[in-house]
Amino acid sequence: QKEVEQDPGPLSVPEGAIVSLNCTYSNSAFQYFMWYRQYSRKGPELLMYTYSSGNKEDGRFTAQVDKSSKYISLFIRDSQPSDSATYLCACDTGRRALTFGSGTRLQVQP
Amino acid sequence: DAGITQSPRYKITETGRQVTLMCHQTWSHSYMFWYRQDLGHGLRLIYYSAAADITDKGEVPDGYVVSRSKTENFPLTLESATRSQTSVYFCASIPLTRGQGNEQYFGPGTRLTVT
Repeated sequence: QKEVEQDPGPLSVPEGAIVSLNCTYSNSAFQYFMWYRQYSRKGPELLMYTYSSGNKEDGRFTAQVDKSSKYISLFIRDSQPSDSATYLCACDTGRRALTFGSGTRLQVQP
Repeated sequence: DAGITQSPRYKITETGRQVTLMCHQTWSHSYMFWYRQDLGHGLRLIYYSAAADITDKGEVPDGYVVSRSKTENFPLTLESATRSQTSVYFCASIPLTRGQGNEQYFGPGTRLTVT
């Protein structure tokens, strides 16, 4: 079983929709949680970074971490076609090496 | 600000050949990482380095060798390439101190095909 599980999608939504992306993890030692966005044939770029449980908001993006249920989420409000990409969740115990989910491909239809 | 670069960007090689993928960062970041990305697996850690001359294995190290004689360079060598090593390889780096801003910075990737 993978330490970080993520539904691969693809997820297709109309422009303006609220998108919910989720991951579950099994390693209780994970303390840092990140969401990366990856466009086709590009390297991942960091979107959100959260330490421990709680919410973090940045513009249209909100990251949630629930350590009690080992569940992490990314919400995208007012989704745009430019948000079409693969979204990767990543977890870190503190030793800096990241464990990634397999990524969810998102398509926002104009 | 060049950031983090990888070379070559594309490589085709034959089974059994030795291949070296280069990674160079201009920030003097302490930590550097090599990941491979395959469909259905996301990114998997091959090796990482906390500083020059300090390296450690990740999740999938078999068949790979790394070295780090200089802070800015972290080459990855496939000693005898196999078809299962066909993948996209990403290098990443982060500074020593954990901040509230960007964490791992990724290079553009090297697409390697082993025939």
